[in-house]
Amino acid sequence: KQEVTQIPAALSVPEGENLVLNCSFTDSAIYNLQWFRQDPGKGLTSLLLIQSSQREQTSGRLNASLDKSSGRSTLYIAASQPGDSATYLCAPGDFGNEKLTFGTGTRLTIIP
Amino acid sequence: SQTIHQWPATLVQPVGSPLSLECTVEGTSNPNLYWYRQAAGRGLQLLFYSVGIGQISSEVPQNLSASRPQDRQFILSSKKLLLSDSGFYLCAWRKIYGYTFGSGTRLTVV
Repeated sequence: KQEVTQIPAALSVPEGENLVLNCSFTDSAIYNLQWFRQDPGKGLTSLLLIQSSQREQTSGRLNASLDKSSGRSTLYIAASQPGDSATYLCAPGDFGNEKLTFGTGTRLTIIP
Repeated sequence: SQTIHQWPATLVQPVGSPLSLECTVEGTSNPNLYWYRQAAGRGLQLLFYSVGIGQISSEVPQNLSASRPQDRQFILSSKKLLLSDSGFYLCAWRKIYGYTFGSGTRLTVV
């Protein structure tokens, strides 16, 4: 059974700093891995999707890396802004029906 | 365009009452559909998924059921709600390039 851990559980940083969110998973036989953000009381917004054959994906100030063999992924946010404040969730998808398994997320607060 | 709709946004129901949450997708055919629940302070838990009309797979034993009466419609139901059914319910659709989630339903059972 896949288990996902995200560290830290909460993070507060001043605006403008670069930061890294960590995600680890126990079963490396994944099809892909997706990063989401969730604003309070809202649904999930997809940020980046990394296929199992890829090492990283970039979108704007976001960069996600994947090391499948070690069961790790990181989300790098450059030049953080107050609008980046949200909970960030990583979710590896398994083969076949590609069910996603979620961690409990990292709650990020960017201090203006 | 491809979109996913989920309603209602908020629901307060008494214990023992029935439940019906609906999710529909537009702009695609034969999508894989999922129901997740997010309880307070916990991660998202997969409840049901469906790969086609009438095909439902349950992930965890619970007081809930799901149905897929049409290709692009996925319904989450309960005959009698429990306090423990409170949570944030999210419908999701698996696309080629990952999942897209609905806006969610906040269910409070009182």
